[in-house]
Amino acid sequence: AQTVTQSQPEMSVQEAETVTLSCTYDTSESDYYLFWYKQPPSRQMILVIRQEAYKQQNATENRFSVNFQKAAKSFSLKISDSQLGDAAMYFCAYRSAGYGGSQGNLIFGKGTKLSVKP
Amino acid sequence: EAGVAQSPRYKIIEKRQSVAFWCNPISGHATLYWYQQILGQGPKLLIQFQNNGVVDDSQLPKDRFSAERLKGVDSTLKIQPAKLEDSAVYLCASSLAGLFSGNTIYFGEGSWLTVV
Repeated sequence: AQTVTQSQPEMSVQEAETVTLSCTYDTSESDYYLFWYKQPPSRQMILVIRQEAYKQQNATENRFSVNFQKAAKSFSLKISDSQLGDAAMYFCAYRSAGYGGSQGNLIFGKGTKLSVKP
Repeated sequence: EAGVAQSPRYKIIEKRQSVAFWCNPISGHATLYWYQQILGQGPKLLIQFQNNGVVDDSQLPKDRFSAERLKGVDSTLKIQPAKLEDSAVYLCASSLAGLFSGNTIYFGEGSWLTVV
């Protein structure tokens, strides 16, 4: 079974600075997707960024980028120019690739609470 | 485009009582999920529907939880009788037709349940 581990329960960053959140995962599959979701106090899970395992290029979405190391099974999120609105819980998630059955299931880590100091 | 709608947002019940949560997915999304998120943890899948059929309910405590999606659109999750450990946020999510796992999953704001 696949597992996702986030080893940093809490992180803090100064406004306008850069912060990196860590995530490691365990799988025997070769094709899969990885995601970072943001969860503000409202509890709605908002997709931040996704990475296809078959792509070597790291995904980027504006101030958010990932460092995907497939061999090391590592998937970290870098937030540049941090803003007060970035404060939230961040969850790393894994999803098997393919069609049918329960491949649609997202497997989440326990989350990292990010605080942004003004 | 309207997002995933859930109700009620908040519910407090006594143990052994019953509760039902409703979810309306994004229009056109055939796949619907219910996740349970206990405080301090990541969401865990309870059940996944494809249209009105169940794809995965392996982690659903079937002695007390039930879910249905009769017309392949909105869905209801029921808990009866509730236990203290059922206190959690229940997140509904949906994704486009088909079981292609590359489709983005969109989440609702969740239904907060407190069992006292």
